[in-house]
Amino acid sequence: QVTLKESGPGMLQPSKTLSLTCSFSGFSLSTSGMVVSWIRQPSGKSLEWLAAIDWDGDKYYNPSLKSRLTVSKDTSNTQVFLKITSVDIADTATYYCARSRTYYGYNYPFAYWGQGTLVTVSS
Amino acid sequence: DIQMTQSPASLSASLGETVTIECRASEDIYNGLAWYQQKPGKSPQLLIYNANSLHTGVPSRFSGSGSGTQYSLKINSLQSEDVASYFCQQYYDYPWTFGGGTKLELK
Repeated sequence: QVTLKESGPGMLQPSKTLSLTCSFSGFSLSTSGMVVSWIRQPSGKSLEWLAAIDWDGDKYYNPSLKSRLTVSKDTSNTQVFLKITSVDIADTATYYCARSRTYYGYNYPFAYWGQGTLVTVSS
Repeated sequence: DIQMTQSPASLSASLGETVTIECRASEDIYNGLAWYQQKPGKSPQLLIYNANSLHTGVPSRFSGSGSGTQYSLKINSLQSEDVASYFCQQYYDYPWTFGGGTKLELK
């Protein structure tokens, strides 16, 4: 059974660095084709894909935020991390991690999502 | 980036009715299109992938169609549990992008 769970600070001040952790089970990120992404959703709004890391350690970023994002994974391949620097009120959102996969060069979308973690940026 | 334009933004329908939600991509996404359902306070759930393939466990009243830049999600015989927001997403090319969403309510 695949499960993902996000954790974060809940609230932080503007200009600080946001650190998020996605802990998952039921698969290993070392398995060929596995990809874990970060997606966020401000309250009442749509979804925004932020970054992804795949089984090979390749990283993908949303160009609109790339300069502020760093995605990484742990050596046990059971956790993925996201750092967002210089946060602003506009970064207030629920942050999700989700698993997708690639197969023979074809991408498949997010079949598994975490429950999300709400991050509020406020002074 | 590939822009995804979803319509309508909101929709009111009666039980048993058939509803259709549209999604237009700014360029050809070669069927790399997914539909998600999201209920209040919950994570999105995958309904359709590859434009017209039903994800495991999704009721058959949901269906997807389209090609190129135009895609649609159809819900036959609307049930009360279908009240939710629906999002399209292209995964043909990075950065992956989502439509603005459609909020479906009961009339």
